[in-house]
Amino acid sequence: GESVGLHLPTLSVQEGDNSIINCAYSNSASDYFIWYKQESGKGPQFIIDIRSNMDKRQGQRVTVLLNKTVKHLSLQIAATQPGDSAVYFCAENIPGANSKLTFGKGITLSVRP
Amino acid sequence: NAGVTQTPKFRVLKTGQSMTLLCAQDMNHEYMYWYRQDPGMGLRLIHYSVGEGTTAKGEVPDGYNVSRLKKQNFLLGLESAAPSQTSVYFCASRPGPYGYTFGSGTRLTVV
Repeated sequence: GESVGLHLPTLSVQEGDNSIINCAYSNSASDYFIWYKQESGKGPQFIIDIRSNMDKRQGQRVTVLLNKTVKHLSLQIAATQPGDSAVYFCAENIPGANSKLTFGKGITLSVRP
Repeated sequence: NAGVTQTPKFRVLKTGQSMTLLCAQDMNHEYMYWYRQDPGMGLRLIHYSVGEGTTAKGEVPDGYNVSRLKKQNFLLGLESAAPSQTSVYFCASRPGPYGYTFGSGTRLTVV
């Protein structure tokens, strides 16, 4: 698999390989994090989330890892498929009475057949 | 249960025209949000609401107004559209601390 930070716009992986997408979040008070997938012409689609009291959460073929010490979040996709090709965003929720979700800039995942 | 519905899906405006984008949710969610998305960028928060009758500014509020007269609806208004407001607009809602649901977006072009 390959890993890349969100400051790089595109990640290209071979079908069947694992993908790792990294995200550095900004606010140490953030209590909730979400990974979204966005396909062309569609709204963000929820993939997986994690609360700040956890460091790992697994879904179907996806795993999110949270490292609060360095404010780092990653999304791992196992056995990447062509249908995984999309733009991926991490988002952090800053808590409080006016809590809101702040998004990273996004990275394009391109799966080579 | 339709989730979050945005209308219209597409719109072309002339500079200076006004319009209102409607976001409707049928999940009884307290919190609602309006975001805009520009090419190569993530979603940026325009305005949001933490309950019926309340609104607050987000990251990029200039040129927009909002209203939340009914819990299920969150309206985004452009009083005098500018080309810089050409974007895709997304509405989202959530019931409490977790669980955001997004609409499918409104593509707005200002010429």
